[in-house]
Parts: sequence; structure tokens; C-alpha cells
Amino acid sequence: GAVVSQHPSRVICKSGTSVKIECRSLDFQATTMFWYRQFPKQSLMLMATSNEGSKATYEQGVEKDKFLINHASLTLSTLTVTSAHPEDSSFYICSAKTSGAVNEQFFGPGTRLTVL
Amino acid sequence: QQQVKQSPQSLIVQKGGISIINCAYENTAFDYFPWYQQFPGKGPALLIAIRPDVSEKKEGRFTISFNKSAKQFSLHIMDSQPGDSATYFCAARPPLGAGGTSYGKLTFGQGTILTVHP
Repeated sequence: GAVVSQHPSRVICKSGTSVKIECRSLDFQATTMFWYRQFPKQSLMLMATSNEGSKATYEQGVEKDKFLINHASLTLSTLTVTSAHPEDSSFYICSAKTSGAVNEQFFGPGTRLTVL
Repeated sequence: QQQVKQSPQSLIVQKGGISIINCAYENTAFDYFPWYQQFPGKGPALLIAIRPDVSEKKEGRFTISFNKSAKQFSLHIMDSQPGDSATYFCAARPPLGAGGTSYGKLTFGQGTILTVHP
């Protein structure tokens, strides 16, 4: 099956610093990747759609200057949380969409961000 | 119109019992309905999915029942096991051919925390 990895799995940082999270599709190419945020005991909230070679599309209410997304290649998308604050602490999950006969989203294992 | 409503919020089942989780949607344009299983601290994993041209799909102990006219679909877990204890999410997606800003986007239900007691 298609495998998506995320790095790091956990990160703790001080308030005001920036944190970069990587999402990689390991065995397939993904022109489209998605970034989600999940609070404890809640559902996944879509933050943005990342398209290879073009600007990301952000959901309403998500600050694009706060959450920078770069989809530099067909296997890598990055999410940078700039000037992180405690309220940015959350579980960030990416997914990568396959194309062709099987159009399915495969999710990464998630990244736990804690901002002190 | 993009909402997917999921119930119950939590469910406790004895080992060997049947777990049933229900979802209802509003957008009649949705044409793909997956279920995901998520363990604590992990990303969601696709469990089973259905398209509206069939009313039921079974894979092992997992069955999706789909009622297009009622705009409802449900997940049945037969012979529930303690290892099935997890959070389950239903989701829905519009046709990929529709393109636009909804391309490939999944709309998730609120989630159901399933606990299977041994």
C-alpha cells in the first residue's frame, strides 16, 4: 500500500520560533497533498491543499502567512509554522493523494507540536 | 451543505458484539464515502470505502451499508475485538472530475470513540 511519512513525529519548541514539518510520499508521486490539524478528541480539520509547483490553497480562517506550505516536488510537501505560539500546539497530519485508477488519500503518522 | 454528521460520539461494545456507527450527509454531489480508523497518536488509516452505486460493501469483519435516498451510510464491525478499540471517522468526497476548490477534499464526520471490552 501507499506509504506517507512525516518528520518529525514530535517537536517541542519555544514560543516565537518557527517549526518545519515534512510530509513525504514514499512509494508514489503525489501532485496533491493535504494538511490537517487535529485537536484532542476532535475530528481532522483541513488547513490547506498543497499542489506541486503551485501555491497552496488555504481553508477559510487559516492564516497563510502563519502556516507556510511548500510542495517542492512530487513526493515532498512541507508545512512551516512561523512564530509559533502555545495556541498552535496541536497534532498536524498530512495526506497525499494518489492519482490514476486509485484516487485515494493516504495519511501520514502525524506530528505532535508543543509550543512552550 | 458540506457537513457530515456522525453518531454516536462514543460506543462501548463487548468482545464478539457488533459495532455500528452511522453517518449522514447533506451534499448530494458526494460520490465517495471512506471510513478511517485512527489509533491514539497516529494518523488515520483507510478501513473501507464505498461509492453510491452499491448499497453494501463487505471486507472481512467490516461492512459499509449505504442508503442513497436517505443520504446515510454506516459502518458495521462484526465480531468486535479489543484491538478494534480506536476512533473511527466517516468521510465524504465530491467527484474528482468536478475539479475546482473542492478537488480531492474529504469532509470528515466528528468521529466515534469505540471501546471493545474483553
